[in-house]
Amino acid sequence: QSALTQPASVSGSPGQSITISCTGTSSDVGGSNSVSWYQQHPGKAPKLMIYDVNKRPSGVSNRFSGSKSGNTASLTISGLQAEDETDYYCSSSTSSSTYVFGTGTQVTVL
Amino acid sequence: QVQLVESGGGVVQPGGSLRLSCAVSGFTFSSYAIHWVRQPPGKGLEWVAIISYDGSNKYYADSVKGRFTISRDNSKNTLYLQMNSLRVEDTALYYCAREADSNYFDPWGQGTLVTVSS
Repeated sequence: QSALTQPASVSGSPGQSITISCTGTSSDVGGSNSVSWYQQHPGKAPKLMIYDVNKRPSGVSNRFSGSKSGNTASLTISGLQAEDETDYYCSSSTSSSTYVFGTGTQVTVL
Repeated sequence: QVQLVESGGGVVQPGGSLRLSCAVSGFTFSSYAIHWVRQPPGKGLEWVAIISYDGSNKYYADSVKGRFTISRDNSKNTLYLQMNSLRVEDTALYYCAREADSNYFDPWGQGTLVTVSS
């Protein structure tokens, strides 16, 4: 049950697009359509942003999108805004009926 | 309004025990699987355990298997996490989260802090 690998930090200027990667194995990301992404502001509980690889819950901005290729999932934030500056985590179900989170990525808006 | 409220956290010595609770309201508790997820101070999220809607199936992270037990009381709309043989590395904010339709976590509670220290 090793954590999924995410870059520690990603940055971009307001209005730009950034992409956060989430790399696992064929036992989790590669073999699952249950990849999800969470946004967590300091001192707050995580908030669901993307589920089932690329679906957006109601109320989440369409600036957030998800995709997957092989063992790597990605979260793209387009039209970057100051309010997007915080931590993001990916998650996947596994072939063992367990779950695993990514190492987390801190997004900085320059 | 869907709400999950954790309680039971505190300071405990290594080797000790603690039982966390997660009180649920705003949805039919007995229809959903529920997770425990933890976050050490300043660190990332770690999945801990899941229990099925009726309590018949339970799965654990390797790091807690054999020491932690997840359970639920559907008559009380409450989830539990019995934590035994606690270690310093179990220090974390513990969240409960509903398992939504297809293997994702939504929503989450606000967490309860467990500190294991001598």
